[in-house]
Amino acid sequence: AQSVSQHNHHVILSEAASLELGCNYSYGGTVNLFWYVQYPGQHLQLLLKYFSGDPLVKGIKGFEAEFIKSKFSFNLRKPSVQWSDTAEYFCAVRPFRGGYNKLIFGAGTRLAVHP
Amino acid sequence: NAGVTQTPKFQVLKTGQSMTLQCAQDMNHEYMSWYRQDPGMGLRLIHYSVGAGITDQGEVPNGYNVSRSTTEDFPLRLLSAAPSQTSVYFCASSPTSTNEQFFGPGTRLTVL
Repeated sequence: AQSVSQHNHHVILSEAASLELGCNYSYGGTVNLFWYVQYPGQHLQLLLKYFSGDPLVKGIKGFEAEFIKSKFSFNLRKPSVQWSDTAEYFCAVRPFRGGYNKLIFGAGTRLAVHP
Repeated sequence: NAGVTQTPKFQVLKTGQSMTLQCAQDMNHEYMSWYRQDPGMGLRLIHYSVGAGITDQGEVPNGYNVSRSTTEDFPLRLLSAAPSQTSVYFCASSPTSTNEQFFGPGTRLTVL
């Protein structure tokens, strides 16, 4: 079955530390890739997405992600985190199979940034 | 635009009760979906719709019904609530099947 794995369930960092959240998926065909963020008490918001082209994608709030096709990975990075980045982060994959293309979500990574 | 709206924000039910979670969007999106979010499991697709009058099952459809009589509205019905349906429910919409999805604020449901 298709799946999305997020390796870190909880991450704790100090402000200004660098962040990398792992995401791997199991699907051999064409995919669209997404990172969503959920701030405490809020709904999911799109951070960035990859459809095609440059595998290094830049999103909002200084986040970026790199698609490595050979590793089936789409890791999220930020050079210097802030306290306001405290949130839960979800990787999502949409395999292309024709018809309605469903999103498959990872389990999420809770990030806590301490001042 | 209000985007995607959901009501209620919180609900407590007793086992066996029925209720409807409301979802509406004002962006004229064709595609709408319902997800449930459970700790450590991410979001799982319950039902989705590709347009008015067309719905289909997602990953975890049992115990839920949907209908799509208009482009704007996509209600989710719990026929006979069970404690296993305690969760946070998110509605989402997108203009096409390949665009990003826009999420509503969620409904936190507790079934006792």
